[in-house]
Amino acid sequence: AQTVTQSQPEMSVQEAETVTLSCTYDTSENNYYLFWYKQPPSRQMILVIRQEAYKQQNATENRFSVNFQKAAKSFSLKISDSQLGDTAMYFCAFMKGGSTLGRLYFGRGTQLTVWP
Amino acid sequence: SAVISQKPSRDICQRGTSLTIQCQVDSQVTMMFWYRQQPGQSLTLIATANQGSEATYESGFVIDKFPISRPNLTFSTLTVSNMSPEDSSIYLCSVVGAREEDYNEQFFGPGTRLTVL
Repeated sequence: AQTVTQSQPEMSVQEAETVTLSCTYDTSENNYYLFWYKQPPSRQMILVIRQEAYKQQNATENRFSVNFQKAAKSFSLKISDSQLGDTAMYFCAFMKGGSTLGRLYFGRGTQLTVWP
Repeated sequence: SAVISQKPSRDICQRGTSLTIQCQVDSQVTMMFWYRQQPGQSLTLIATANQGSEATYESGFVIDKFPISRPNLTFSTLTVSNMSPEDSSIYLCSVVGAREEDYNEQFFGPGTRLTVL
């Protein structure tokens, strides 16, 4: 079974600063994908960043980057130059490759608050 | 990307009644997923809905309680039957992008907030 653990229920950061959200996962799979989703108060799930397990290079999307440590099964999200609009619940998610493509396993989430 | 709409966006229901939630996608997709998000919690997969076959339910979820229809490649419904206050949650549908550039990305609908009194 796949499990995703987010050990930080809440985090806060001042605007323009950098914050890192932690995520670890457990799997015996070799072919999988990792995601960070953002859920603002509107409830809409928004994909922040995606990482394919077979890629060694860490994914980057503008101010968002990940530190993917495959051997340690760690997948942290770094948000640089934090903005007030980054305030949201952040979920780390795991997806197996292959025939079960699409089924996501979520962590419990980290509530991030960006303050002025 | 895929654009997903859900109806209703929210509802307040009496215990013992049933509610059907609709999910419409703007493109044809193979698999659709239904998730439940209980207050303050993460998302839990209820079932996978494939067109032309029975839905596949996760452990703890049964067809009698959460019947699902998938009549075509752009539409699905989830019914929450014989509701109790414990069913108060946000219900979200999602799809895996069908286009090559969307591959492996999962898109979510805006969710249906259900309150059962």
